[in-house]
Amino acid sequence: GNSVTQMEGPVTLSEEAFLTINCTYTATGYPSLFWYVQYPGEGLQLLLKATKADDKGSNKGFEATYRKETTSFHLEKGSVQVSDSAVYFCALSLQGGSEKLVFGKGMKLTVNP
Amino acid sequence: ETGVTQTPRHLVMGMTNKKSLKCEQHLGHNAMYWYKQSAKKPLELMFVYNFKEQTENNSVPSRFSPECPNSSHLFLHLHTLQPEDSALYLCASSQDLRTGPYPYEQYFGPGTRLTVT
Repeated sequence: GNSVTQMEGPVTLSEEAFLTINCTYTATGYPSLFWYVQYPGEGLQLLLKATKADDKGSNKGFEATYRKETTSFHLEKGSVQVSDSAVYFCALSLQGGSEKLVFGKGMKLTVNP
Repeated sequence: ETGVTQTPRHLVMGMTNKKSLKCEQHLGHNAMYWYKQSAKKPLELMFVYNFKEQTENNSVPSRFSPECPNSSHLFLHLHTLQPEDSALYLCASSQDLRTGPYPYEQYFGPGTRLTVT
């Protein structure tokens, strides 16, 4: 089946630290990959996406590269801010017949000043 | 109002009560979704509607009953729930699932925090 495995937190970092959140996937087809972020008290927001191998998604200083050979989509940011404190979800979707997003369990990040 | 709104934001109900959750999207989308978010578990897709037609029911117990009267509104009717149904229920919307463009970016509401006592 289709599944997403991501680092489970929670993780606490100091401001300006480097962030990596690992995400690997299993899919029966050729998925699109996403990172969603959920700030406290809010719904999920799309952070970035990639639709084919070697694509790099980027937004708000975050980046992730679609690696088909390692079935991975790791999220990185060079210097985190307090405002990045949130829960981060990796997800995939497959075109054709299954429109749904398959999510990882999410990882809570806290950034301290 | 903009985006996806959900009401109520918090709900406490007994196991014998009947209540409904409401979702409204102001994005001109035609597909709507219900998700369940429980602690320490991945988000679970419950239902998908496209142009008011249910296209997916992810083996959800019958005590959850969705209703989609039009492309802008989605309801989740609740009756005789169990304590394990306590969770955050998220609504999302996206563009038409038949014509795309793919991938379908989903826009989420803030959720309804449900507690079953």
